[in-house]
Order: sequence, then structure tokens, then C-alpha cells
Amino acid sequence: AQTVTQSQPEMSVQEAETVTLSCTYDTSESDYYLFWYKQPPSRQMILVIRQEAYKQQNATENRFSVNFQKAAKSFSLKISDSQLGDAAMYFCAYRSAAGNQFYFGTGTSLTVIP
Amino acid sequence: EAQVTQNPRYLITVTGKKLTVTCSQNMNHEYMSWYRQDPGLGLRQIYYSMNVEVTDKGDVPEGYKVSRKEKRNFPLILESPSPNQTSLYFCASSLWGQGNEKLFFGSGTQLSVL
Repeated sequence: AQTVTQSQPEMSVQEAETVTLSCTYDTSESDYYLFWYKQPPSRQMILVIRQEAYKQQNATENRFSVNFQKAAKSFSLKISDSQLGDAAMYFCAYRSAAGNQFYFGTGTSLTVIP
Repeated sequence: EAQVTQNPRYLITVTGKKLTVTCSQNMNHEYMSWYRQDPGLGLRQIYYSMNVEVTDKGDVPEGYKVSRKEKRNFPLILESPSPNQTSLYFCASSLWGQGNEKLFFGSGTQLSVL
């Protein structure tokens, strides 16, 4: 089984500031997909951003961007201009291109301070 | 509206009393899966299904059963629930083929086994 590690159980950020959430993963494969999901207090899981391993360019979705370092097996999420609505649990997830399973990290709880 | 419908949202039961959590999607997705979410452990995959009559174990299948008789439905069955199955459960579905397809999640079922 693949391992996805989120080493920061909790993070906080001032409103309008930038925060980076860390994610590392363990794999021997070269082709895979990475995701960040957000879980607000409503507990609904929402896709934030995704990255294909074969793409060198880092994915960006509005205020959300990733820093994908394939050699280091690192996939961090940067949230710019943080807003109160960004407060949530964030999960990093991995899926092999050859496999059918998703592997999630343990989550990072983000607090946004007004 | 495209959605994954999961019922019930909350369930309290006693040890050994069989229960079923239903999951239905209206997006004609091939892939469906079940996860349990526990504090400090993130989401772990229980079972998944690639299509009708095709199911396979995830990382934590012990004590659970699933079936996929119709493409839209993927119920999770606990034949003899135990307290260690107290958890938040999510059903999810997605298209399958390109690899980066996002998971659509249900609203979750908070299960307590007394």
C-alpha cells in the first residue's frame, strides 16, 4: 500500500496571508495522480486541486497552487490571500495510474484567524 | 443535480445488529468506493467497485461487505457491527479512464456502535 504523509496536524494563518500545507508520499511508480481535498465543518469533501505526475508544470486553481517535486515525492498546497472560508481539514491523496485505489493522508486542520 | 446520495446521515446501533448504509449516484459513474474517516488516521478505503458485479477490497475491508448489482448503487453492509467500527463513513464515485478524475463524495454517515 502506498503511504501519504501529512506532517502538520494543525496549521493557522492570518486572513489575507499565505499558508503552505505539506504532503509527502511513498511510491516506486512513475505515473500517478495527486489531489488535495478540503473538508469544511459541513464535512462535505471538495476537490481543491489535482496534479498529474507526468506534468512538470505545477497546477493552479485561483488562490490555490501546488509545489510538486517529483524527485522528492512532495506535493505541497499553497493557499494565497487566505479567507475565512478556507478554514477546513485538508487531505492529500494519491492514486496510481496503474491502480484502482486512492490513498489519503491523515489531514491538516487549517484555522484562519480574522 | 449531479450527486452522490448517502443514507442515513447519522446512525446509532448496538453490537451485532446488522445494518446497511446506502449509496446512490446519478452520474453514470463506473467507479464507486467506500471510506472510513477516523481522527488521526485520515480516510481509509474499505472497498471499491470498477463496475457492476466487480468489487475489490481496499485497505480495511474486515467486517464489511459490499455489492454492486446496479451501476448507480453501492451499499455498505455491516453484518455484525462492533464498537471499533464506530466511524464517519463516506461513499464516493467517479468516472474512470483518464486517471485524474475527481471523486464525488456523499455527505457522510456518522455511525456509532454501542
